[in-house]
Amino acid sequence: DTGVSQDPRHKITKRGQNVTFRCDPISEHNRLYWYRQTLGQGPEFLTYFQNEAQLEKSRLLSDRFSAERPKGSFSTLEIQRTEQGDSAMYLCASSQGTGGQETQYFGPGTRLLVL
Amino acid sequence: GEDVEQSLFLSVREGDSSVINCTYTDSSSTYLYWYKQEPGAGLQLLTYIFSNMDMKQDQRLTVLLNKKDKHLSLRIADTQTGDSAIYFCAERYNQGGKLIFGQGTELSVKP
Repeated sequence: DTGVSQDPRHKITKRGQNVTFRCDPISEHNRLYWYRQTLGQGPEFLTYFQNEAQLEKSRLLSDRFSAERPKGSFSTLEIQRTEQGDSAMYLCASSQGTGGQETQYFGPGTRLLVL
Repeated sequence: GEDVEQSLFLSVREGDSSVINCTYTDSSSTYLYWYKQEPGAGLQLLTYIFSNMDMKQDQRLTVLLNKKDKHLSLRIADTQTGDSAIYFCAERYNQGGKLIFGQGTELSVKP
């Protein structure tokens, strides 16, 4: 399967714990996006990378959130000191950004539940 | 401002056409997208339209764009039970390409 993959698919954690999610984009896609989706809502943009560079971060991305894409391939999203309000589906998407039309392909998501 | 709005629910009978509507606020959006999400799954791109187009047809899907009114619609012809899902419209910002999504329209297709 050459689509976007995410790991783990599900994560249950206790409040205050740290969690890390991984996203593997489609090979050679230069852009990678993270979104968060809560129940009954559309995805909300969190941050994106072009190659290794993190170019934009949403106001939603508090200091407890950090994302990296060290070699311009896979990316990790870490949440420190999780809170119940962090419970959501975390979606990753990748694209080949050329400045014109670009299609973002989404992974299956990581569903986080904070108890 | 960033705002995309959709009606929350639509129910149709199998074989009928479905029309899902969306309004957006950013007149500088260059591309508008329709995604489909089935329960527990990620988003699947259905189609997109460039902002200088009025209409795009792709098999059973027809997208209409009224740029003056900032209104986008997705028509699904001959709707099947397998089309039951949540449909999201999204606008793409010029800078960086992030997508701004509506809250989704849940389409229910009854046999």
